[in-house]
Amino acid sequence: EAQVTQNPRYLITVTGKKLTVTCSQNMNHEYMSWYRQDPGLGLRQIYYSMNVEVTDKGDVPEGYKVSRKEKRNFPLILESPSPNQTSLYFCASSPRTAYYGYTFGSGTRLTVV
Amino acid sequence: AQSVTQPDIHITVSEGASLELRCNYSYGATPYLFWYVQSPGQGLQLLLKYFSGDTLVQGIKGFEAEFKRSQSSFNLRKPSVHWSDAAEYFCAVGAGGGTSGTYKYIFGTGTRLKVLA
Repeated sequence: EAQVTQNPRYLITVTGKKLTVTCSQNMNHEYMSWYRQDPGLGLRQIYYSMNVEVTDKGDVPEGYKVSRKEKRNFPLILESPSPNQTSLYFCASSPRTAYYGYTFGSGTRLTVV
Repeated sequence: AQSVTQPDIHITVSEGASLELRCNYSYGATPYLFWYVQSPGQGLQLLLKYFSGDTLVQGIKGFEAEFKRSQSSFNLRKPSVHWSDAAEYFCAVGAGGGTSGTYKYIFGTGTRLKVLA
């Protein structure tokens, strides 16, 4: 089944403890992206990647890192999480052209205390 | 700057009634246009998309959307709503591409649909 897999689904952590949210897609998509979703703010792009070893900042990149060493994987790294990073996170992928739209993962609900 | 506006934050309809969710966009050319649905606790699922051709496009779950260039709108409709349609709906624009290959999706802030039995 074609899908984007995120792990974990739920995560509670403490301020300052490094964490990684994994994202993997099995559709050979070139384009991958991370979003955070907050009430009243919709979806805001954190980082995106057009292909392996090519990443760029989205609209809200502060406090986040990403890497794209393999085409299928695009992990999101929070080096020192803070409470304002408590949010619902989505990974998404799409082919080379914007025509097809995204396939989204199921989301990761992160709480930083 | 490119933007997507969904003017209705919440909409409530009765089951069996018709539905129209509004979406307006700002973009220099004809963009790729999308509607997504997010059911509670789920990721976003693509309902339908438009780029060119017939301005009325059909999607999954009985939804359709109409592109109106003169109004920069891409409204989502359904003739008869079912209780299972209660969800949040997002309009999105795909912008960019070309020789650089770089593109971006811009999302509206969403419309939450409540369905009354």
